[in-house]
Amino acid sequence: DAGVIQSPRHEVTEMGQEVTLRCKPISGHNSLFWYRQTMMRGLELLIYFNNNVPIDDSGMPEDRFSAKMPNASFSTLKIQPSEPRDSAVYFCASSLDGGVGNIQYFGAGTRLSVL
Amino acid sequence: AQSVAQPEDQVNVAEGNPLTVKCTYSVSGNPYLFWYVQYPNRGLQFLLKYITGDNLVKGSYGFEAEFNKSQTSFHLKKPSALVSDSALYFCAVRDTGGGNKLTFGTGTQLKVEL
Repeated sequence: DAGVIQSPRHEVTEMGQEVTLRCKPISGHNSLFWYRQTMMRGLELLIYFNNNVPIDDSGMPEDRFSAKMPNASFSTLKIQPSEPRDSAVYFCASSLDGGVGNIQYFGAGTRLSVL
Repeated sequence: AQSVAQPEDQVNVAEGNPLTVKCTYSVSGNPYLFWYVQYPNRGLQFLLKYITGDNLVKGSYGFEAEFNKSQTSFHLKKPSALVSDSALYFCAVRDTGGGNKLTFGTGTQLKVEL
């Protein structure tokens, strides 16, 4: 398996533009997580899906952020409109639910710069 | 609620020396603990986990971790550090609410010098 695939790897955009980040989880995994990493705030969980259903979105910063998982093999994180403070590295991770020790596998991340 | 604390932002060690990266946890019920490593410009990678059983857990790249229930600690160790071990290390605890959600620590930057 190719692992968790995120695209794009880098995104540079201007304030006010819409940004869409994409994630393809590992085939067969049924949990998907979106994280944001910054120097100031560390690693933050934004949202968590199980079987394509959002379970916990308490970490989503505000209404400008939205996430979807239309099927088991694809998820998007959208920011509209984007702001400079959204600049961060965004990670997607997937895992197979069913036990207490299941491992999350991370993608390589998308580095977002909002100018 | 559950939490993990990594008291050191950075740990410096000479190559060949043993290393320890500290982690303490707080959780109601059984603790399920993990260590992940992040190399520059990469995603987090799983190193090892404690679920139950032996308090000394062995993982990837020669790392091990010692679970200590009385001290609520799960320190990461390696007998002989390599320069290539230099990376950011995260301790995590599985949420007691179910699912695979993890609560991560703030991370410890390990720097191994020649």
